[in-house]
Formats: sequence, C-alpha cells, structure tokens
Amino acid sequence: AQSVSQHNHHVILSEAASLELGCNYSYGGTVNLFWYVQYPGQHLQLLLKYFSGDPLVKGIKGFEAEFIKSKFSFNLRKPSVQWSDTAEYFCAVNVGYTGRRALTFGSGTRLQVQP
Amino acid sequence: GAGVSQSPSNKVTEKGKDVELRCDPISGHTALYWYRQSLGQGLEFLIYFQGNSAPDKSGLPSDRFSAERTGGSVSTLTIQRTQQEDSAVYLCASREGVDYGYTFGSGTRLTVV
Repeated sequence: AQSVSQHNHHVILSEAASLELGCNYSYGGTVNLFWYVQYPGQHLQLLLKYFSGDPLVKGIKGFEAEFIKSKFSFNLRKPSVQWSDTAEYFCAVNVGYTGRRALTFGSGTRLQVQP
Repeated sequence: GAGVSQSPSNKVTEKGKDVELRCDPISGHTALYWYRQSLGQGLEFLIYFQGNSAPDKSGLPSDRFSAERTGGSVSTLTIQRTQQEDSAVYLCASREGVDYGYTFGSGTRLTVV
C-alpha cells in the first residue's frame, strides 16, 4: 500500500523567509499528487495538484511544488511566506487508476509564520 | 450546492450511544469519501463510494462503523456503541472524476464523553 511521509512536523519561519516542505511517497507506479492546506478553524483546501505533464506545478497564493519521480518527492515551496500562511499543510497521493482510489495523506506539517 | 455540506458540525454523545453523521456532496460528483482526523494526527481514510460500485470499506476501523450512500448522493456514516477513541473530526470529500481534485466539507467534530 502507498504511504506518504512528511518529515517536517512543525516549521517556524519569519515573514519573507523562503519555505520548502518535504513530501515523499512510496509507490512505484502512476501517482496523482496533492497539497492541501488547513487554516486555523477552517476546512481543507486544495493548494495544488499534479496529474501529468510539467513536473513544476503552480498553485494558489504563490505556492508551487515540484514532482521528482526519481526521488519519489513532491516538495512544496514558496519564495516568501506571509503571516497569513500560518496553517497546517498536508501532502497526499492517489494511486493512478489502480488500487485504492482514495487519497492517502501524510501526517501534516504545521507552519507557523512569525511577523 | 456550492460545496460539500456536513451535518451536524458538532456532536457530543455519551459513550455507548449510536451516532449518524451526514454528508451532502457536490451535485454531480460521483465519488464520495469519508476520512477521520484525530487531534494531532493526519487524515485516516475510512470508506469510499464510487458511483454504483461496491464501496471500498477497507479503512473502517471496526464493525461498529458503517456507511451508506443513497441514490448516489447523500451519505451517512454511522458509529454504533461509540467509544472515547472515536472522538475526532469526521471529514467528507467528493470529486467529479478521477482527473479532478477532492473537495472537502467542514467536517463534523464528534466528542464522546
């Protein structure tokens, strides 16, 4: 079964710092990859997704992620974070068209941006 | 509706009671998922419905948990004889098809006392 690892559990940054959150998955076949964000007291929202094509995916609010197949990674990046980016970030994988077609989530990374 | 709707938003129940949680997906979305988010943990898959196919129940933690989806739309997650470890936020998501992202509801926060 596929699994998703997010190695950074809690990240604290100052405003304007650059962000990179790690995400690795374990599955050798076709995958669809997602990053979701959960702001305090709000529901999960889709930041960006990768299905195929350009491995550099741009999402909302200035976020981007790069799919590196050889490293089984889909790291999330933002060049300059804002206080409003304080939230929990979840990486998720969906195994193509085979197997369980539900999302498997990582354990999440809590980002705290200090003004 | 415009989004995935879940009710109730909060539910407090006594240990041993049964509870029903409701999910109303986006109209036309064929796939519906239930997840559980426990405090300080990630999202745990529970069950998945796709059209008229048999549901994928592989994530249900025990036989006290069951779910149904009537008419390919509204879904109800039932937890029988609730236990304190069932306390969590239960999230529902739907999607239009395999090439689309998942849209999540706001969840039902279940507290078993």
